[in-house]
Amino acid sequence: GAGVSQSPSNKVTEKGKDVELRCDPISGHTALYWYRQRLGQGLEFLIYFQGNSAPDKSGLPSDRFSAERTGESVSTLTIQRTQQEDSAVYLCASSRERLQEAEQFFGPGTRLTVL
Amino acid sequence: GDSVTQMEGPVTLSEEAFLTINCTYTATGYPSLFWYVQYPGEGLQLLLKATKADDKGSNKGFEATYRKETTSFHLEKGSVQVSDSAVYFCALNNQGGKLIFGQGTELSVKP
Repeated sequence: GAGVSQSPSNKVTEKGKDVELRCDPISGHTALYWYRQRLGQGLEFLIYFQGNSAPDKSGLPSDRFSAERTGESVSTLTIQRTQQEDSAVYLCASSRERLQEAEQFFGPGTRLTVL
Repeated sequence: GDSVTQMEGPVTLSEEAFLTINCTYTATGYPSLFWYVQYPGEGLQLLLKATKADDKGSNKGFEATYRKETTSFHLEKGSVQVSDSAVYFCALNNQGGKLIFGQGTELSVKP
């Protein structure tokens, strides 16, 4: 079956521009997660959705970052007024349920470069 | 808050050598513990997991045992192969929701 997909795979933008990153989770997975992996660092949690609501937004680094999920499916992560420190690989994951033992399935990521 | 610490890399081994990658955690309660692996050019994927104390997760010859007394979840493999070259991430999940990851350990296995 299809895994988690993300688009675009690569995005190069200029400082100050807005970007939208898309995630298509595995069909039927109710939980969806966004993480960020900066060069040479581990994965940082950004936000997760249970259905269409976001119970935990604690990882969003600033108010320039926002995310939404519609129809318990696609999610979009938006970064406004991008800065060079936003350059990273943005990973999306989904799981069948929001359980601590549940496997999270990761997409291939979107590599964002802010010039 | 909850955190994961794993040994720094890179780790370079010869084929058939024994592998240990150390992982310790700090968490309240009883988290589930995971090892994820990222092969070159591929996405992050689950290698193994353990959900309660003394559980052993295993997959592809890798093993890790959930040790609550030492708050550890060390990854081991008896005989590594070149194809095991990858970045390995230890992670925990406490009360559902987000995974908290260690920094990752790069493993390079030479023929």
